[in-house]
Amino acid sequence: DTAVSQTPKYLVTQMGNDKSIKCEQNLGHDTMYWYKQDSKKFLKIMFSYNNKELIINETVPNRFSPKSPDKAHLNLHINSLELGDSAVYFCASSQDGLLPRYGYTFGSGTRLTVV
Amino acid sequence: QQQVKQSPQSLIVQKGGISIINCAYENTAFDYFPWYQQFPGKGPALLIAIRPDVSEKKEGRFTISFNKSAKQFSLHIMDSQPGDSATYFCAASISDYKLSFGAGTTVTVRA
Repeated sequence: DTAVSQTPKYLVTQMGNDKSIKCEQNLGHDTMYWYKQDSKKFLKIMFSYNNKELIINETVPNRFSPKSPDKAHLNLHINSLELGDSAVYFCASSQDGLLPRYGYTFGSGTRLTVV
Repeated sequence: QQQVKQSPQSLIVQKGGISIINCAYENTAFDYFPWYQQFPGKGPALLIAIRPDVSEKKEGRFTISFNKSAKQFSLHIMDSQPGDSATYFCAASISDYKLSFGAGTTVTVRA
């Protein structure tokens, strides 16, 4: 019954590999996000999709490519992984017009470790 | 560039004490200021939020104080409990669009 679910929860991979993280929300929300949380716990937005349309694309290396096949899914593909990509990646969703009352609903995160 | 500056980085409080976390911002277009609570291994969760037309909002033991002229807002946790031990993030956005988070404050409540 998880509202925002991410897979995998942990990902350990070697430099240079390509990996994907998947996110699904069953809340019927219109907007989904990817945030990166670094080792100092700082949360930085990477991308946002509203009804499958990209609306936020922060300064992120183009090795990162989001894909939203439908409103309930937002995946993150990372090419040529680097040591600096090691972080916890959070998927989140929100309902248009209801952010003040309900905020973002975050997934539990994917801890990516690049070795 | 961090749009919301948060302090302190960490704090320790005794059970029953008051925890105070402060945030400051520069962008006067911000009109939504939430606080999120994050436990280890979990994603952040909305705790309480305020609009700039209100100077204070209270929900249970959690209170936001907002000072529009100083461009500052703070979270007070009254009667702090060990279960409140977590990382707290302030955030801000313009018209509910794209939350920018502070750096986080790790709160430890000692029994």
